[in-house]
Amino acid sequence: EPEVTQTPSHQVTQMGQEVILRCVPISNHLYFYWYRQILGQKVEFLVSFYNNEISEKSEIFDDQFSVERPDGSNFTLKIRSTKLEDSAMYFCASSDAGGQYFGPGTRLTVT
Amino acid sequence: QKEVEQNSGPLSVPEGAIASLNCTYSDRGSQSFFWYRQYSGKSPELIMFIYSNGDKEDGRFTAQLNKASQYVSLLIRDSQPSDSATYLCAVRGDSSASKIIFGSGTRLSIRP
Repeated sequence: EPEVTQTPSHQVTQMGQEVILRCVPISNHLYFYWYRQILGQKVEFLVSFYNNEISEKSEIFDDQFSVERPDGSNFTLKIRSTKLEDSAMYFCASSDAGGQYFGPGTRLTVT
Repeated sequence: QKEVEQNSGPLSVPEGAIASLNCTYSDRGSQSFFWYRQYSGKSPELIMFIYSNGDKEDGRFTAQLNKASQYVSLLIRDSQPSDSATYLCAVRGDSSASKIIFGSGTRLSIRP
């Protein structure tokens, strides 16, 4: 069964450093998303992406965040200058217009 | 602020019984409704989605939607210990590109 994959599974970085989180969505899906979940809290929407552009973004998704689909298979989330409060699980999801299917997540730890 | 509300639980149900999970949402414009299961330390796993008022069944799971009452529920029949997890209710607007808004989840525990 096709699934969303994400790399790395765990990323440790120092405050102020740039990180890139990578995702490979399900191949025939057209809609892509990033969510995050701080430990013990709700899953929060960051951004949605369709037709090579951002469709919607949340207040969390400020100028420090960017997304890109550099080729036909990868979807990336970049955080330019990480803060301690960026520590969370980051989930990529994709959809074919029905339900959104989530990847296993990247645990980002900012020290 | 669009909200999705769930009882945090824990909800304890004996093995083999029916587990009933409930959710309310605030935005009347919501069009799509989802139930996800999340095991501790894992990602949300889509169980079911429902768009229309009424019931939708898939195996041991039944989702129920009442848009007039802004209420969504999930029934799990013949509950198994492996069903022990946090169940997340989520809603979306009318576009497939729209965000999903998640509730904080109900912790379900199936006791043998």
